[in-house]
Amino acid sequence: QVQLVESGGGVVQPGRSLRLSCAASGFTFTSYALHWVRQAPGNGLEWVAVISYDGSNEYYADSVKGRYTISRDNSRNTLYLQMNSLRAEDTAVYFCARSTTVTTSFDYWGQGTLVTVSS
Amino acid sequence: EIVLTQSPDFQSVTPKEKVTITCRASQSIGNTLHWSQQKPGQSPKLLINYASQSISGVPSRFSASGSGTDFTLTINSLEAEDAATYYCHQSRNLPITFGQGTRLEIK
Repeated sequence: QVQLVESGGGVVQPGRSLRLSCAASGFTFTSYALHWVRQAPGNGLEWVAVISYDGSNEYYADSVKGRYTISRDNSRNTLYLQMNSLRAEDTAVYFCARSTTVTTSFDYWGQGTLVTVSS
Repeated sequence: EIVLTQSPDFQSVTPKEKVTITCRASQSIGNTLHWSQQKPGQSPKLLINYASQSISGVPSRFSASGSGTDFTLTINSLEAEDAATYYCHQSRNLPITFGQGTRLEIK
């Protein structure tokens, strides 16, 4: 069955960096685009970034552009999110999600990993 | 950026009631509108694809319709397990955007 398992969350000070991972299994990894979506505590869902199936295209929300980098290792079936210059407002549960292309629905989601930015 | 506005924000309903949630887009998005359900402490789950396409494994009491700017999710004969927050999202353009969510409470 399709599985997306995020890891790498934790508590980090403002201005520091963190890298999230999303390990995929149960499907052909190279056939799907992958996204990061976040949810601040008690809030709604916010799309963060997407990478195409082959890693050739990346797109970002304005709120993270220039600070976050999405990448994938198709040999390891793993998605990454490098987060730099973290701010308190980046505190959220970060989900990875799968879609057929960069602009289709999210058909599977991981369980999420919590990032807390606090001094 | 396409703004999605859901209504209502919150609804308290009794089992077996029929519930309707609407999602309005700030510009026409064709049928590229999708509905998801998120239960407390869980990740979202896709319910309906492309405005009205059912997803395998989703109970038949969930249905949806709409196109352009106005969309509707309907839950017939509500069950206790349907207590959740429901989100619409659009994939017509990047950035992908979500509605603010509609929280359903079961009385």
